[in-house]
Amino acid sequence: DGGITQSPKYLFRKEGQNVTLSCEQNLNHDAMYWYRQDPGQGLRLIYYSQIVNDFQKGDIAEGYSVSREKKESFPLTVTSAQKNPTAFYLCASRQTGLGNQPQHFGDGTRLSIL
Amino acid sequence: EDKVVQSPLSLVVHEGDTVTLNCSYEVTNFRSLLWYKQEKKAPTFLFMLTSSGIEKKSGRLSSILDKKELFSILNITATQTGDSAIYLCAVEEGGSNYKLTFGKGTLLTVNP
Repeated sequence: DGGITQSPKYLFRKEGQNVTLSCEQNLNHDAMYWYRQDPGQGLRLIYYSQIVNDFQKGDIAEGYSVSREKKESFPLTVTSAQKNPTAFYLCASRQTGLGNQPQHFGDGTRLSIL
Repeated sequence: EDKVVQSPLSLVVHEGDTVTLNCSYEVTNFRSLLWYKQEKKAPTFLFMLTSSGIEKKSGRLSSILDKKELFSILNITATQTGDSAIYLCAVEEGGSNYKLTFGKGTLLTVNP
């Protein structure tokens, strides 16, 4: 079945450590997005990419990095510079060039500090 | 300043009640407004609204957009415990990046 797979479901980070969250989609979507969700907050955009080898910062990019080497993959690295990384991270994708389309989401990764 | 404001932020009802969730927005280049339902994990898509006054309906859920007054409502009739979730409203602005701006969500709890 087509969909978006995020892994791992739960992740723990030690002080000073970088961690990478995986996001893979087999929907053949061009655009991919990373969001952060905190309790009582909506989703806030971290980074997005509309094409391979190109990506842009969202509203809260500081302390994060991404790559887009393949169409189906958009990993997010939470660096040690992100001082408050505990949150629920959601990856999404969207087809472009076909009119109005919704973004579709993966099941998320919960990141906590050890 | 918040571009997308949802109200109420939380709501507790009894099974069988009808609820109305509100979403107001302020964007300069509007493309569409979307509603999602989020239980424990992935938000699932409910509706996309682009034109004023046209109701979208799916079972007990319906939604409508007012582009003049810049708001949308999501109605749920005959609520069930399975409707308990966070309901997210998002606005997609025009342009080529297809970014969504989300409201904080409404936490709906339906008690038996």
